[in-house]
Amino acid sequence: AQKITQTQPGMFVQEKEAVTLDCTYDTSDPSYGLFWYKQPSSGEMIFLIYQGSYDQQNATEGRYSLNFQKARKSANLVISASQLGDSAMYFCAMREVMEYGNKLVFGAGTILRVKS
Amino acid sequence: DTEVTQTPKHLVMGMTNKKSLKCEQHMGHRAMYWYKQKAKKPPELMFVYSYEKLSINESVPSRFSPECPNSSLLNLHLHALQPEDSALYLCASSPAWGGEKLFFGSGTQLSVL
Repeated sequence: AQKITQTQPGMFVQEKEAVTLDCTYDTSDPSYGLFWYKQPSSGEMIFLIYQGSYDQQNATEGRYSLNFQKARKSANLVISASQLGDSAMYFCAMREVMEYGNKLVFGAGTILRVKS
Repeated sequence: DTEVTQTPKHLVMGMTNKKSLKCEQHMGHRAMYWYKQKAKKPPELMFVYSYEKLSINESVPSRFSPECPNSSLLNLHLHALQPEDSALYLCASSPAWGGEKLFFGSGTQLSVL
């Protein structure tokens, strides 16, 4: 079974600085997908970025980039120029292939606090 | 319209009550999901509907009963819940099952007394 590990329960970052949120994964499937979601205190899960296992380049979406190191099985999220609105819980997730379809498996999450 | 709308936002119920959670999307998505999330924990999948048919039930107790009346609506009927069922219940949708970019609603915060 697939496994997602986020080792940082909480992180602080100064406004306007960059921050890296760690995510490692374990899978025996050659084809997989990795996702990052943001969950503010309002509760909604917001999709941020996706990386496919066969993608040659690291994914980027605005201020978000995914540092994908396949050999190390890591998929760290980099947020550049942090803003106060980035304060939230961040989940790394992986597509798990099941007998009759796929489902997302989430890591434990990292709480990010941006300081002014 | 790129929203998944959940009602109610908050719900308090007793252990003998019957209540329902509602989820609606108008994006034409054909897969809809229920997740349960305890405080400071990741979401856990409960049910998946694909083309209005139940595709996954993650061994959820029968006191939770999902229903998908049409492709835009997803309900979760609750009966005889326990205090440990108190959690945030999130609905999500995707264009198709296997399209793992999920669009989530804001959730229903449920408290069982």
